[in-house]
Amino acid sequence: QSVLTQPPSVSAAPGQKVTVSCSGSTSNIGNNFVSWYQQLPGTAPKLLIYENDKRPSGIPDRFSGSKSGTSATLAITGLHTGDEADYYCGTWDSSLSSWVFGGGTKLTVL
Amino acid sequence: EVRLVESGGGLVQPGRSLRLSCAASGFTFGEFAMYWVRQAPGKGLEWVSGISWKSDTLGYADSVKGRFTISRDNARNSLYLQMNSLRAEDTALYYCAKHRGLDFRESYGMDVWGQGTTVTVSS
Repeated sequence: QSVLTQPPSVSAAPGQKVTVSCSGSTSNIGNNFVSWYQQLPGTAPKLLIYENDKRPSGIPDRFSGSKSGTSATLAITGLHTGDEADYYCGTWDSSLSSWVFGGGTKLTVL
Repeated sequence: EVRLVESGGGLVQPGRSLRLSCAASGFTFGEFAMYWVRQAPGKGLEWVSGISWKSDTLGYADSVKGRFTISRDNARNSLYLQMNSLRAEDTALYYCAKHRGLDFRESYGMDVWGQGTTVTVSS
C-alpha cells in the first residue's frame, strides 16, 4: 500500500489527452513539491516534472503538472504510442522522514 | 554528458552482504544529495536511502534501517550502499539517482538516474 495513491492504469486514443492523479496528505504533497517520473518499458525512470509544474530541459510541453492541496495531477496531451509507460509521482513525507512514491500508473495509448 | 553507472549487484545468499557502487560523471558530484531507489520485479519504485551533499544527513526506509548504510566519496565522485543481512525481499533492481539540491529531504526531485544494478537474494 503506497503512501501516495495513483490509479493503476489509464488509457486514451492517440492525439487525445490523459490525466494521472496522485493523492496524498498534508505530510507529503500538502507541504512539499511533487515530481513525476516516466518509466518506459525496460528502462530507468526519467524525470518529467519537478517542483509541481516545472519541466526539465528536453521534456516537451505536452507534459504538464499541477498541484492543489494534497493532490497532484500529470496531464499529457497529443498522446502517441511512444508515451506508453509507467508514470510515478513522488515527494518527501515529513512525518515518515522518507521519500515516497505512488504505486505507479500504466498508460496505454489505444 | 551527465551519467550515473551502478555496479556491484549479483546473486547472494540470505544473511550475506553486498556493496553497491555508483560512479558519477558530467556534473559536480559533491554539490548534490544522492539517493538509492529500488524496484522489485514487476513492482513500483521504492526509496531506499538518501545522503546529503556533505554526508552530514543520512536517511533510510524503515525496511532497510539498521541493515543498509549509505555513504559517498566526493573526491572519487562515487556513491555507495553497503547492504548487510540481506533478505529475499531485498531482491530488486537498485538505481542511484541524483537530487536537484543539497539535502535529500528537500522535495526538488531526482533529475538523473542510472540504469540500475540487479540484486538477487536467494539460497
